[in-house]
Amino acid sequence: GQQLNQSPQSMFIQEGEDVSMNCTSSSIFNTWLWYKQDPGEGPVLLIALYKAGELTSNGRLTAQFGITRKDSFLNISASIPSDVGIYFCAGQSAPGNTPLVFGKGTRLSVIA
Amino acid sequence: KAGVTQTPRYLIKTRGQQVTLSCSPISGHRSVSWYQQTPGQGLQFLFEYFSETQRNKGNFPGRFSGRQFSNSRSEMNVSTLELGDSALYLCASTGTGNTEAFFGQGTRLTVV
Repeated sequence: GQQLNQSPQSMFIQEGEDVSMNCTSSSIFNTWLWYKQDPGEGPVLLIALYKAGELTSNGRLTAQFGITRKDSFLNISASIPSDVGIYFCAGQSAPGNTPLVFGKGTRLSVIA
Repeated sequence: KAGVTQTPRYLIKTRGQQVTLSCSPISGHRSVSWYQQTPGQGLQFLFEYFSETQRNKGNFPGRFSGRQFSNSRSEMNVSTLELGDSALYLCASTGTGNTEAFFGQGTRLTVV
């Protein structure tokens, strides 16, 4: 089946630093979504991307839909302690009813 | 607008038993998807229901089943529980014609 390769698996950063993570696939996706999951909670949608090359921001978060349609990036600027959590990318390979495919997540730890 | 509600939040069952989990989607959303989340495998798609019909199915054994009611609420059932079924079970609802999935808090199932 389709797989999304998400990297890095985990990262430890100092508060105030910028963070980058990405997701790649061997096949084309029409939609990319980025989620954050706190311990014991369900994933929360952060950003949705629908067009190749699209760059979308949500506060300190910025995500991009790669122009090849096989990758997406999430950047967090000036990290704060509450950014701690697991970030997941998800993609839909065809419009309509195709299920989302999820990456395995990037675990972010912020050192104050 | 209320979010996705999953009940119960926590469950402990013994091997061989069966369990039923419930999900109430966001009002107006007719699509409900179920995922199994484990530390090693990430989010694995179980199945999706739309208008009381199973529209998509993942690669899980027949012990995992689901259904959807006319009010879009959904249940999933796992029969003959195994230790490996211990996981966080997440439900997500999606609006018609939309891709963005909104998750509930999950049900943490522990099989002993």
